[in-house]
Amino acid sequence: LAKTTQPISMDSYEGQEVNITCSHNNIATNDYITWYQQFPSQGPRFIIQGYKTKVTNEVASLFIPADRKSSTLSLPRVSLSDTAVYYCLVGVPTGFQKLVFGTGTRLLVSP
Amino acid sequence: GAVVSQHPSWVICKSGTSVKIECRSLDFQATTMFWYRQFPKQSLMLMATSNEGSKATYEQGVEKDKFLINHASLTLSTLTVTSAHPEDSSFYICSARVGGRGETQYFGPGTRLLVL
Repeated sequence: LAKTTQPISMDSYEGQEVNITCSHNNIATNDYITWYQQFPSQGPRFIIQGYKTKVTNEVASLFIPADRKSSTLSLPRVSLSDTAVYYCLVGVPTGFQKLVFGTGTRLLVSP
Repeated sequence: GAVVSQHPSWVICKSGTSVKIECRSLDFQATTMFWYRQFPKQSLMLMATSNEGSKATYEQGVEKDKFLINHASLTLSTLTVTSAHPEDSSFYICSARVGGRGETQYFGPGTRLLVL
């Protein structure tokens, strides 16, 4: 299983764009990159998933360079409610393949 | 997205008793479910992988006789913490994935267990 490395914490202000980078040097050919958001005392919530280049949905964008050894989650114009822990996971999202959570990044958005 | 529920959402029990936590996939069939444990301020730790109709696969260091997992149907997996002790107090989260498709895991809301 590919190991991931993320910053432990990040601070931002409302309305700013936040970019959280994750390193996964040992990513395998069939691995996808998935980001989850977790609020206290809740289960993780799926944000976005990608394999290469760029993926965008209604809440975030995911940038993946050609070598796929890192990825960046971009949250546009964050609000106070985006304060949470963000996890980057790497693995095959089908069948019996398990996903292992790293330490995550604790994002604090201030007024 | 798919919905995964857990019951109960929180439970308080006395030391030595057993506690059962249910995980259900509400609008899809899940051939594989996963059980995680999370201590305060820490990340999720995978405990076991539960496959419908077969024995669960436990992660290293997780006692299979203490954490009994049953996946009797495609929509239900249960985790039983046997003879619970205060150190078992934690946040237990299940997730489910539809087998054979390029889907991601969907997580339940979690169950807070407090053992007195």
